[in-house]
Amino acid sequence: EPEVTQTPSHQVTQMGQEVILRCVPISNHLYFYWYRQILGQKVEFLVSFYNNEISEKSEIFDDQFSVERPDGSNFTLKIRSTKLEDSAMYFCASSERSSGSDEQFFGPGTRLTVL
Amino acid sequence: AQSVTQLGSHVSVSEGALVLLRCNYSSSVPPYLFWYVQYPNQGLQLLLKYTSAATLVKGINGFEAEFKKSETSFHLTKPSAHMSDAAEYFCAVSHPGGSYIPTFGRGTSLIVHP
Repeated sequence: EPEVTQTPSHQVTQMGQEVILRCVPISNHLYFYWYRQILGQKVEFLVSFYNNEISEKSEIFDDQFSVERPDGSNFTLKIRSTKLEDSAMYFCASSERSSGSDEQFFGPGTRLTVL
Repeated sequence: AQSVTQLGSHVSVSEGALVLLRCNYSSSVPPYLFWYVQYPNQGLQLLLKYTSAATLVKGINGFEAEFKKSETSFHLTKPSAHMSDAAEYFCAVSHPGGSYIPTFGRGTSLIVHP
């Protein structure tokens, strides 16, 4: 069964460093998303991506963040100059379409720890 | 604006007992509602969704949820818990015709005792 994969499963970095979180969405999906979950808090939407551009982003997704689809399979989230408060679980998701009822398929997440 | 509240960050049941995970929503328009489950070291998986058809929705693994507009609730139930049901459960809401981005609750951790 097709699934969304994410690497690495756990990333530890020093404050101020840049990290790139990687995702491979399901191959026939056209819409891609990043979410994060700070420990003990809600899963929060960061950004959605379609046709090689951002289609929607939350107020969390500021200039510190960027997304890219560098090739036909990967979808990446770059966090520049990481801060302690960026420590969270980051989930990638993909869907065939973008209607409100369509299922988004989630990856297992990358746990980012900023020291 | 839309939101969901999941009552109880942890719910503990005995194997074979009824599972009840509570979710209340807030939405200015009739919503779409979802329950996702996350097993350890895995991604969120859709259990079931309500999209304005039948108010009682059946999902995978014997779970079901009932949309109650008068109570603004979408509680998740399962008649008999299995050890394998131990996981994190997330309720989410989105808007038909509006933003397709779901708003998630904080999650409820289901603990199943033998």
